[in-house]
Amino acid sequence: AQSVSQHNHHVILSEAASLELGCNYSYGGTVNLFWYVQYPGQHLQLLLKYFSGDPLVKGIKGFEAEFIKSKFSFNLRKPSVQWSDTAEYFCAVKLAGAGSYQLTFGKGTKLSVIP
Amino acid sequence: NAGVTQTPKFQVLKTGQSMTLQCAQDMNHEYMSWYRQDPGMGLRLIHYSVGAGITDQGEVPNGYNVSRSTTEDFPLRLLSAAPSQTSVYFCASSRTITGDFEETQYFGPGTRLLVL
Repeated sequence: AQSVSQHNHHVILSEAASLELGCNYSYGGTVNLFWYVQYPGQHLQLLLKYFSGDPLVKGIKGFEAEFIKSKFSFNLRKPSVQWSDTAEYFCAVKLAGAGSYQLTFGKGTKLSVIP
Repeated sequence: NAGVTQTPKFQVLKTGQSMTLQCAQDMNHEYMSWYRQDPGMGLRLIHYSVGAGITDQGEVPNGYNVSRSTTEDFPLRLLSAAPSQTSVYFCASSRTITGDFEETQYFGPGTRLLVL
């Protein structure tokens, strides 16, 4: 069965610290990869996505992620976090190609940034 | 565009009651879906639809029913509410995927449901 693992349940960082959130997936084919963010009390918003091409993907608000196919990973990074980055982050995966619609989400990682 | 809208924002039900969660989008998206979000579980797909008149089950369909009579609307029905259905429900939509062009899913603001 398809699955997505996010290694950290809760990460606490001080402002200006660097961030890396892990995401590994188990899928038997070509995949599309996503990171979504959910700020407190809000709905999910797309941070970045990977479909094909350059495995280093840049998203909004200074976030980036690197797709490493050999490791089945899509880790999210940000060089310097801000208090406003406090949120829950979800990695999501789907099979690529026409006729594939189901997104499988990881369980999420809560990020708390201390001023 | 309003994007994806959901009503109500919050609902309290008693065990055994039925209700319908509404979802609408004004982007002419063919694909729509319902997820539930529970603490520590991430989002799990309940049902999805790839166009009017076409629906299919996701990961956790039991206790829920859907229909898609128009492109714009995709209501989720709870047939007989149970405490285990206490959750936050998100609706999402995207254009139909064609060829190598993949569309992002856009999420609604959510409905918080409490079943007593």
